[in-house]
Amino acid sequence: EAQVTQNPRYLITVTGKKLTVTCSQNMNHEYMSWYRQDPGLGLRQIYYSMNVEVTDKGDVPEGYKVSRKEKRNFPLILESPSPNQTSLYFCASSLLRLTGELFFGEGSRLTVL
Amino acid sequence: AQRVTQPEKLLSVFKGAPVELKCNYSYSGSPELFWYVQYSRQRLQLLLRHISRESIKGFTADLNKGETSFHLKKPFAQEEDSAMYYCAPSPSYDKVIFGPGTSLSVIP
Repeated sequence: EAQVTQNPRYLITVTGKKLTVTCSQNMNHEYMSWYRQDPGLGLRQIYYSMNVEVTDKGDVPEGYKVSRKEKRNFPLILESPSPNQTSLYFCASSLLRLTGELFFGEGSRLTVL
Repeated sequence: AQRVTQPEKLLSVFKGAPVELKCNYSYSGSPELFWYVQYSRQRLQLLLRHISRESIKGFTADLNKGETSFHLKKPFAQEEDSAMYYCAPSPSYDKVIFGPGTSLSVIP
């Protein structure tokens, strides 16, 4: 089944404890992206990647890192999480140049205490 | 600044009534335009895109270039339409911007 898979789905952590949210897609998509969803603000793009080893900042990249070593994986890294990074995170992938449609993961709800 | 607005955070309509979810954008040029939907406890998914000019689940969206709007409409709302709806212009091939979303509630 074609899908985008995120892990973990739920995580509670403490300030400063590094964490990684994994994202994997099995559709051979070149484009992958991370969004955070907050009430009243919709989805805001954190980072995106057009292809392997190519990453770019989105609208709210502060406090996050990403890597794209393989086409299928696009992990989101929080080196030193803070409470303002408590949010619902979505990974998405696309053949953006061709269709424009984004395929989303189920979301990862992160709470930073 | 480039932005997309959805003026209604919450919209409630009765089953069978028409529904319109508004979307305005301020991007120059001719962005590709999408509507995404998120049903309860499900992932976001594409509802429709302007370029396809299709009707999905009874929804249509008309582009008004003069007003830079892309409102989503359905003549007769159903209970299963209750969801969060996001307008999403794509101003360039590597970017999709999401509006703040409108939560639609269809009252039986």
